[in-house]
Amino acid sequence: KNQVEQSPQSLIILEGKNCTLQCNYTVSPFSNLRWYKQDTGRGPVSLTIMTFSENTKSNGRYTATLDADTKQSSLHITASQLSDSASYICVVSRGADGLTFGKGTHLIIQP
Amino acid sequence: DAGVTQSPTHLIKTRGQQVTLRCSPISGHKSVSWYQQVLGQGPQFIFQYYEKEERGRGNFPDRFSARQFPNYSSELNVNALLLGDSALYLCASSGTGELFFGEGSRLTVL
Repeated sequence: KNQVEQSPQSLIILEGKNCTLQCNYTVSPFSNLRWYKQDTGRGPVSLTIMTFSENTKSNGRYTATLDADTKQSSLHITASQLSDSASYICVVSRGADGLTFGKGTHLIIQP
Repeated sequence: DAGVTQSPTHLIKTRGQQVTLRCSPISGHKSVSWYQQVLGQGPQFIFQYYEKEERGRGNFPDRFSARQFPNYSSELNVNALLLGDSALYLCASSGTGELFFGEGSRLTVL
């Protein structure tokens, strides 16, 4: 069964600290893996897209990693800011077969 | 350039009613997809349209239907609303594979 599991379900950290969110998937076929940031009540916004051959991709303070062998990805946030408070959703593309979404990690940054 | 626009942003319906949600993709994007997001969950795929043809359908009942118009805008229709249909309905458009989401239509069924 195609699944995307994210952990932790929720996370609270202090402003300025770093954090890492995890994504494990059992999706086939694999085309690419995406991380989205979704503010409460808003639409998701793309952070990174990684193909099979890419191990690391950065977007400002966000760095995503992909291990296609173990089917794991992580999203690392450096020097967190209050505006980073959001849900972070891992999405695996099966190419023409569609997308499989994780349930997201709800991140709260406290001042 | 305008992003993906959805309307209405919020609406309240009662059980058994019907609802139509609208989506205008980014200019030049020919693919539109619809997602249902229940509070606290990730989006669930409902439909994808490309060049007015249905290209994919998620695991949703026949009460859900959609169409895409010649200008690539799209409508999602839900008939015989149930309480469980209360959710944020997201539309996304894509041109070269990357998805761009709208802000969603928040549907509350009473």
